[in-house]
Amino acid sequence: GQQVMQIPQYQHVQEGEDFTTYCNSSTTLSNIQWYKQRPGGHPVFLIQLVKSGEVKKQKRLTFQFGEAKKNSSLHITATQTTDVGTYFCAGHTGGGNKLTFGTGTQLKVEL
Amino acid sequence: NAGVTQTPKFQVLKTGQSMTLQCAQDMNHEYMSWYRQDPGMGLRLIHYSVGAGITDQGEVPNGYNVSRSTTEDFPLRLLSAAPSQTSVYFCASSYWGGDEQFFGPGTRLTVL
Repeated sequence: GQQVMQIPQYQHVQEGEDFTTYCNSSTTLSNIQWYKQRPGGHPVFLIQLVKSGEVKKQKRLTFQFGEAKKNSSLHITATQTTDVGTYFCAGHTGGGNKLTFGTGTQLKVEL
Repeated sequence: NAGVTQTPKFQVLKTGQSMTLQCAQDMNHEYMSWYRQDPGMGLRLIHYSVGAGITDQGEVPNGYNVSRSTTEDFPLRLLSAAPSQTSVYFCASSYWGGDEQFFGPGTRLTVL
């Protein structure tokens, strides 16, 4: 079955440093979504990427979808303590009714 | 709009007990799903439904039953709880399976 891997599993940064998490799928995706889960909370949708090579920005967050539509990345510039949480990617293969979530990257930001 | 609601928020069961986790949404979403979240394993799909009367298995369905009699509700039943079912359970809904998922607040279940 489809597998979605994320690296790294954990990342500790100093406030102001950049952060990147990578997502790789074993199969070609029709779209990929990113979610953020604050400690003790539930996943919250951030963005969806659909097109090959697509890049989208949300303030300090930059999302990319690979040319082959099998990988994606989330980059945070100048992290803040409000960025703390676990970031998940979730891939959808066309024709199916399921999202496959990655294992997540837990981000901790230290002052 | 309340969005996606889940009850209870916390539950402790003994091995062999049964229970139902409730999930409801008021967004008129056709697609609903249940996930379990365990440390280091992300969110794993248990069961999902594409509309009232239609359900299907996800990645980890064993030990769980679901039904979808209305668009709004999608309960998850644990038939005979086992310690391996200790987890955080999230219900989610969306217009379709590949769309933005709206998650409920979760149920934290411990099986002793």
